[in-house]
Order: sequence, then C-alpha cells, then structure tokens
Amino acid sequence: EAAVTQSPRNKVTVTGGNVTLSCRQTNSHNYMYWYRQDTGHGLRLIHYSYGAGNLQIGDVPDGYKATRTTQEDFFLLLELASPSQTSLYFCASSGDWGANTGQLYFGEGSKLTVL
Amino acid sequence: AQSVTQPDARVTVSEGASLQLRCKYSYSATPYLFWYVQYPRQGLQLLLKYYSGDPVVQGVNSFEAEFSKSNSSFHLQKASVHWSDSAVYFCALSINSGTYQRFGTGTKLQVVP
Repeated sequence: EAAVTQSPRNKVTVTGGNVTLSCRQTNSHNYMYWYRQDTGHGLRLIHYSYGAGNLQIGDVPDGYKATRTTQEDFFLLLELASPSQTSLYFCASSGDWGANTGQLYFGEGSKLTVL
Repeated sequence: AQSVTQPDARVTVSEGASLQLRCKYSYSATPYLFWYVQYPRQGLQLLLKYYSGDPVVQGVNSFEAEFSKSNSSFHLQKASVHWSDSAVYFCALSINSGTYQRFGTGTKLQVVP
C-alpha cells in the first residue's frame, strides 16, 4: 500500500515566521508534489520534483521554496510566512508516467495557520 | 489554458437517489482525466481514471464516469448513493504528458436521509 506521511499535521506561526513542512513517501516513486487546498480554489500546485535534487515550479510558487533531498523526502519552506499562506497543504507522490497509472497518492495534509 | 471546471460547489441528494457530479475540461490534446474523493480530515483518494478507449469507466464503490470529447466533459455518476458517500469530489486533468495534475475546485456532496 502506498504511503505518504506529512509532518507536522498542524502548525501555527506568526507573520514573518519560518516554517518547514515535511513529506516522506515509501512508494519508491520518482515524482513528488506540494499542493495547497483552499475553499473556492480546490487544489493548486506549488512545486513538484521528479527526483532528488530536482525542483519544478507549479502554478502558485510565489512565497514558497522546496527541496528534494532524497527520493523519499520533499520539503516545503515558507521563509517569511504571510496570512495569505494560511491553508491546508498536501503532499503527493506518483510513479513515472506510463509505468503506473499516473495516479497521485496523497498524505493526510498539514494545516498551517499564519497569524 | 488547460483547466478543469466543476460548476457545482455543493450538491445535496437523498439516500438511494442517483447522482451526477459535473466536470468540464479545457485541453487541446487527448486528456487524461481523474476523479478523486476526499473524506473529512483525510487526503484525496482515487475513484477512477480515464486514459483512452471505452468512454465509460468504472471505479471503486460503484462510481462510474463518462468521457465526452464533443462536450469536453467527464461527469461522475452513481446509481444509488449512500450516506457514506458524503465527501468532497475533485476532478483532475493530467498536464504535460502526466508530470502533474491540475484540479477543479471540488464539489461537496451531502447525502441526506
């Protein structure tokens, strides 16, 4: 069974604070993704990666950095958090296109509140 | 632009009734389309997917979806809903030959007695 684990599950910080969201997958997948979920917007892609050391920008990358340190680990960094980044963040993984189904496997989410 | 539209933010149906959740896509090439479900306080789970071939695809828990190229649609259907189907449903479109997926805004389904 595919497994994606996110931490922390809940985080509260202040404006200007520094936050790191962590994601680990044990699926041996090459692709990993960070999405944010907001009411009225659905899920929007922030950054994604297709392997250690690789980083691609998504649709809403401003204010976010990301780093893929290993095949398993993908981090999302907010260096100067703002209230507009209050959201529910999801990490997901998938295998190479064509090798599997292109299905995304999601973690359970990290709720971030920026005061 | 490559996008997915779910026109209904909320849908309420009676238990045992049939269901259709709408999804429209905008994409110039052959689309790869997905439906995911999100139960409260959980991540998204795949319901079904369409790549090619038979336009009617079967998914988990008796859900099915019908692809229509002429209408640019991929509507989700179920013949008889159960209270446990209450959740948020997302339609998604594969972008850049599958490197990532772009999601619609979601439809919250409430099944009432």
